[in-house]
Amino acid sequence: ETGVTQSPTHLIKTRGQQVTLRCSSQSGHNTVSWYQQALGQGPQFIFQYYREEENGRGNFPPRFSGLQFPNYSSELNVNALELDDSALYLCASSLVPGGSYEQYFGPGTRLTVT
Amino acid sequence: AQSVTQLDSQVPVFEEAPVELRCNYSSSVSVYLFWYVQYPNQGLQLLLKYLSGSTLVESINGFEAEFNKSQTSFHLRKPSVHISDTAEYFCAAISSGSARQLTFGSGTQLTVLP
Repeated sequence: ETGVTQSPTHLIKTRGQQVTLRCSSQSGHNTVSWYQQALGQGPQFIFQYYREEENGRGNFPPRFSGLQFPNYSSELNVNALELDDSALYLCASSLVPGGSYEQYFGPGTRLTVT
Repeated sequence: AQSVTQLDSQVPVFEEAPVELRCNYSSSVSVYLFWYVQYPNQGLQLLLKYLSGSTLVESINGFEAEFNKSQTSFHLRKPSVHISDTAEYFCAAISSGSARQLTFGSGTQLTVLP
């Protein structure tokens, strides 16, 4: 069974640039959620994708967008990067319906905006 | 709106001593509760969960948590900690009927001292 993987592990961008983060869900899972974890804080829900459609969104501006592909992998895109976007971005996969509400997390992508 | 509060940001404890990490939630609907652990530079690992049934849930490595509806709490306990338990611990909740988005507390850094 393959776990959740994310790429890249680290990256550095300049304010105003755009970034794409990638996530491969765990085998058999059909739902992907993205979370932002700022330094010293708990993860904050960005959005969730189910059947290639956005299925819930947290309090994040529209410059945070995403995609889910037929193989259930996902991308998180952030436009017009700001310094406050520096954080660990976590992807989590789950099985809906069923799956006992468990979400399985990847190792994260550390984004630094300078 | 749902919220999760972890009352202690840092908990230092000596090896083999007992520990309790406190978590309170607020929700107007039924919730499912989780504890996740995060080791340095890693993603989140599910430690244990409460969905229904017995209010006392246990993990494979000796942690336990008790769901207390009247006090809206889900405190994490271990009778004897090890150095390897040093990590950040996050309490999280999902409201029934939501898009299964996890709401996290701000985390508790458990440091086990020799």
